[in-house]
Amino acid sequence: AQSVTQLDSHVSVSEGTPVLLRCNYSSSYSPSLFWYVQHPNKGLQLLLKYTSAATLVKGINGFEAEFKKSETSFHLTKPSAHMSDAAEYFCVVTLTDSWGKLQFGAGTQVVVTP
Amino acid sequence: DGGITQSPKYLFRKEGQNVTLSCEQNLNHDAMYWYRQDPGQGLRLIYYSQIVNDFQKGDIAEGYSVSREKKESFPLTVTSAQKNPTAFYLCASSIDNWFGTGNTEAFFGQGTRLTVV
Repeated sequence: AQSVTQLDSHVSVSEGTPVLLRCNYSSSYSPSLFWYVQHPNKGLQLLLKYTSAATLVKGINGFEAEFKKSETSFHLTKPSAHMSDAAEYFCVVTLTDSWGKLQFGAGTQVVVTP
Repeated sequence: DGGITQSPKYLFRKEGQNVTLSCEQNLNHDAMYWYRQDPGQGLRLIYYSQIVNDFQKGDIAEGYSVSREKKESFPLTVTSAQKNPTAFYLCASSIDNWFGTGNTEAFFGQGTRLTVV
């Protein structure tokens, strides 16, 4: 079985400071991992994905994430937060050797203050 | 523009009433999915369909029904058997049913907010 845990339900950062959203997963197989962003009352947009290629993955809007197998982590970072980054972020895991049903984390709400 | 269209954006249901949420995609994707979103619980899979005329139950299918008569359409009916239907519903699609192959991703609609009145 696989699962995904987002370690922070809320993160508050000041504009221009770094953002770190933490995600740990458990999987019996080689996982594929994704980060999605959701703005209020909107659908989800893919930020980036890891699929067993490079362990450092770059995504849209300046976000990146690093896959660390030894730590079973896939933390999302951004060097400098922008007001438009205020949203909810979901870490998602799926298996690569069967039908890829997505397992969603509970989400991290990001607040950006001026 | 290609994408997924969900309608309506807001829907109100009376007790004991069935309602149908629409999901249409023009991305030529084979696989389609319905998720339910509640605060603090992430997204939970209701039903999924890997191909036309076929669909499977997800983790929380009780009180819901779907059909997949056309590739581009995957409507979700919330029946009176669903005791707590108030939630945000998201439809998604992907090129195929293998999220983990590296060459596919899930595309989401803008959601339908269902409220029981």
